Amino acid sequence: DTAVSQTPKYLVTQMGNDKSIKCEQNLGHDTMYWYKQDSKKFLKIMFSYNNKELIINETVPNRFSPKSPDKAHLNLHINSLELGDSAVYFCASSQGDPANPEQFFGPGTRLTVL
Amino acid sequence: QKEVEQNSGPLSVPEGAIASLNCTYSDRGSQSFFWYRQYSGKSPELIMFIYSNGDKEDGRFTAQLNKASQYVSLLIRDSQPSDSATYLCAVPYSSASKIIFGSGTRLSIRP
Repeated sequence: DTAVSQTPKYLVTQMGNDKSIKCEQNLGHDTMYWYKQDSKKFLKIMFSYNNKELIINETVPNRFSPKSPDKAHLNLHINSLELGDSAVYFCASSQGDPANPEQFFGPGTRLTVL
Repeated sequence: QKEVEQNSGPLSVPEGAIASLNCTYSDRGSQSFFWYRQYSGKSPELIMFIYSNGDKEDGRFTAQLNKASQYVSLLIRDSQPSDSATYLCAVPYSSASKIIFGSGTRLSIRP
């Protein structure tokens, strides 16, 4: 039944490694997002895709690469992980409709880089 | 000036009192405004949205919007310990595809 799901829920890894986080939504939404929430709880958008097309790409290092194989999935690959990448990463989706911009969030992936 | 500003708190309110959370935004063209609640270790969930100037009530929650002052607030009446959470103000900018979140106000309801 889960509307927006993410895997894994926790990810602990060493500096320099490459890792991926997966996201899937079964709400039929056209738009998906990746957010990063740091230790101060500030939720900042990283990327947004609409129907598999990148529409928002905030100032994010090139080490972060989103991939959307279809409109129900948006994955995030991170190369050469750094200590500062430690955060909770949330996937979200919405209809992408200005009249109804509500976003639905996944449970989050807590990434810890050692 | 930040695009969406909130006091980070913590805001401590006695049980049964009214909690008042405030948010200001910089984009005069914004048309809709959201309040999300986030419990510790959980994801944000939408609790209120407002489009028109004035008040919108939903149970114990009231959202207030003043577009001229670029100000939106959330009132929680009869505060309960279960209301203890971080409240995020969110404003769509330019298009529905980009929502800017405030840094959140941590609310603590003391019994």
